[in-house]
Amino acid sequence: DTGVSQNPRHKITKRGQNVTFRCDPISEHNRLYWYRQTLGQGPEFLTYFQNEAQLEKSRLLSDRFSAERPKGSFSTLEIQRTEQGDSAMYLCASSLGAGVTDTQYFGPGTRLTVL
Amino acid sequence: AQKITQTQPGMFVQEKEAVTLDCTYDTSDPSYGLFWYKQPSSGEMIFLIYQGSYDQQNATEGRYSLNFQKARKSANLVISASQLGDSAMYFCAIHALRSNDYKLSFGAGTTVTVRA
Repeated sequence: DTGVSQNPRHKITKRGQNVTFRCDPISEHNRLYWYRQTLGQGPEFLTYFQNEAQLEKSRLLSDRFSAERPKGSFSTLEIQRTEQGDSAMYLCASSLGAGVTDTQYFGPGTRLTVL
Repeated sequence: AQKITQTQPGMFVQEKEAVTLDCTYDTSDPSYGLFWYKQPSSGEMIFLIYQGSYDQQNATEGRYSLNFQKARKSANLVISASQLGDSAMYFCAIHALRSNDYKLSFGAGTTVTVRA
């Protein structure tokens, strides 16, 4: 399977714990995006990388959130001191980063539940 | 900034019939791209079709076609010959076509239920 993969698919944690999600983009895609989707809503942009550089962060990304993409390959999204409001689906997408269209292809998401 | 409005929270369609999903957008960028994604209950966002603001013709992709009316700022998705597998949430999204700003802004989505 050469699509975007995300792990874990589901994560249940207690309030105050730290969690880390991983995203493996489609190989040779140099842009990688993180979005958050709450129930009944469309995804909201969190941050994106061009290769290993984090080029933009949304205001939604509080100080408790950090994302990395070492070596421009896979990416991790960490949430520290989780809160119940962090419960959501976290979606990762990648794009080739070339051409006008630059379609983003999404992974299956990681569903986080904070108890 | 870009904004997408999808006013239909849910729609029912009979199998083999066509359905139109509405999408209006607002943007200050002169060049932009419009996307439609399908999200089944499994959660994965599946890319369906793309329309560039500069495209002269409406995009088509198999059973999916886009009714793009630039002056009205609308980009409605038409699904022809609906199948049971088309039951899902459908999202319209937009991004500006300028350097270092390819993030997508999504609408709230429309749930489509195909009846046998």
